[in-house]
Amino acid sequence: QEKVQQSPESLIVPEGAMVSLNCSFSDSASQSIWWYQQHPGKGPKALISIFSNGNKKEGRLTVYLNRASLHVSLHIKDSQPSDSAVYLCAVSLDTNAYKVIFGKGTHLHVLP
Amino acid sequence: GALVYQYPRRTICKSGTSMRMECQAVGFQATSVAWYRQSPQKTFELIALSTVNSAIKYEQNFTQEKFPISHPNLSFSSMTVLNAYLEDRGLYLCGADNSGNTLYFGEGSRLIVV
Repeated sequence: QEKVQQSPESLIVPEGAMVSLNCSFSDSASQSIWWYQQHPGKGPKALISIFSNGNKKEGRLTVYLNRASLHVSLHIKDSQPSDSAVYLCAVSLDTNAYKVIFGKGTHLHVLP
Repeated sequence: GALVYQYPRRTICKSGTSMRMECQAVGFQATSVAWYRQSPQKTFELIALSTVNSAIKYEQNFTQEKFPISHPNLSFSSMTVLNAYLEDRGLYLCGADNSGNTLYFGEGSRLIVV
């Protein structure tokens, strides 16, 4: 069974800071990795996904995947108070998106 | 854009009774629907995967007898929690996929058992 571990559990940063979130997974056959954002009382919202080794940038978000070390990271540039949420790393073992295993998440608080 | 609506948002039910929840995809065809449960202090557990015109696949620890699912068309799915007890409480999420690329989640149906 795939295991997904996220760190840190929580993070408090001032507005404008660069945020780095980490995720490690146990199965090298993992297909794709997604990062989701979940605000309190809401369902998770897909932010960015990556399949190939390397990095991918979308707006203020950059994700890095290293399959050899089974590690993926999400970086948020110029963080805003509205970025405060739980960030979930989700790993898929097959080519379809729906069978994903989620980590426990990182609670991010961006202070104004 | 793609949206997923879940209903009801919150239900309080007596121990031993059942709760039905619905999931509606708007703006895309939900060829596959995944039902998850987020229990207190836990992350998301996959309950089952439903693909139109295919058998529903339940994960270990979840059964059709306890969580029957209906997925009659490309925009709607429902799931019932039968004989709900304390351990069934949590946020039940529906995630719908149209192309195998991204899961769109609803806001969840929260089950409170008293």
